[in-house]
This record gives sequence, C-alpha cells and structure tokens, in this order.
Amino acid sequence: DAGVIQSPRHEVTEMGQEVTLRCKPISGHNSLFWYRQTMMRGLELLIYFNNNVPIDDSGMPEDRFSAKMPNASFSTLKIQPSEPRDSAVYFCASILAGLNEQFFGPGTRLTVL
Amino acid sequence: GIQVEQSPPDLILQEGANSTLRCNFSDSVNNLQWFHQNPWGQLINLFYIPSGTKQNGRLSATTVATERYSLLYISSSQTTDSGVYFCAVGRGSGYALNFGKGTSLLVTP
Repeated sequence: DAGVIQSPRHEVTEMGQEVTLRCKPISGHNSLFWYRQTMMRGLELLIYFNNNVPIDDSGMPEDRFSAKMPNASFSTLKIQPSEPRDSAVYFCASILAGLNEQFFGPGTRLTVL
Repeated sequence: GIQVEQSPPDLILQEGANSTLRCNFSDSVNNLQWFHQNPWGQLINLFYIPSGTKQNGRLSATTVATERYSLLYISSSQTTDSGVYFCAVGRGSGYALNFGKGTSLLVTP
C-alpha cells in the first residue's frame, strides 16, 4: 500500500494568497484527520472526517481555513487568505473503520512570507 | 481534551546506551501510539499499544492503562535513533489523537 499521500510536500507563498493542501488516505480507510505542527503549539488537530462527513472542526483556527472531503479517497485543506502565522507543517492521517491506529502522511511544509 | 506529558523533554546518549522514555496521560484511553519523527519531519509509527507490552527489534513499549502511563525502551541506541519521540493518546476509533510535546533524542557516535 502506498500509505497516506499528501501534496505538495513543500509550499512557499506570499501573504494573502490562497493555499490548497491535498490528502489521499489509505485505500479503505474511512476516517481522515488534519493536524498542524508548530514550534509553539506542537501537534494539534484541525478537523476530522468520518465517512466523508466533518465530525469535529473545533480546531480550525478561523474562517480563513476550510476543509472538504468530496469522496473517500480525497480531502483538501484550504487557507484563504494565508498569513505568515499559518506557516507550519500540516499532516493528514487516516484510520480503518473499527480500528484505532492512525497512519500519517509525510506532511506539507507551508511557508507564508 | 486528554492531557499528555512526556519526559524527559531532551535526552543525549552515546551510541550503544539504553534509555527509557515516559508518557503520562490524564484519562482513560483506547488508543495510545508512539511515533518517531525523523530529521526529515516524517512521523513514523512505532507502536500501537493501548495496554500491555510489545517489542520490535531494539525497541519495546509497555502501557499500564490502569495507572495511565506508557514507557518506550530503546536499547543499544544508534545514531539513526535520533529525532523526536511522540506519545499520542485518544479515546478510540474515530477520535483524534492528543499529542505530548515529545522527547528530543540525540544519539552521538
């Protein structure tokens, strides 16, 4: 299995631009999580989906962030407009129904100038 | 959310030494995972261990769920073991993980 796939791996953009991060979960997994890692706050949950439905988005910082999961094999995290404080590594993870172990993608390192 | 505390925060070892990393958590959990974040930033699954003991090569882990702690043992450390070790806990399938702040390990030749 290819594991969780994220793209792009690195993104550098200027403040005010729209950023879209993408995630393909492991085939057959039905829950998908977006986490963000910063030096100040460590690893924290942004949002997660069960069966493509958003369950908990309380970690989404503000209205500039949005996430979608149009089907079982694809999710996006969008930031519009981006700000320098959004600079972080964004991880996607997925989990198989009925099991507990989460598997993480390689992450997207976002730099907003 | 569930609070997770890891100790020590930093650790420097000479190659060949053994170490024990600790994770305390504040509530009952159905999921506990140990990860290694390598120098390239990737989170590598080491153990899924909500209870009991597991071993994988030079690494082993023990979770005592009733006392709300887990231990990760690294034996005969190698320079490639360097990185940050995270403990993360959750209430089960379909729930997010709460991460500790990690233990930063440096193994010197």
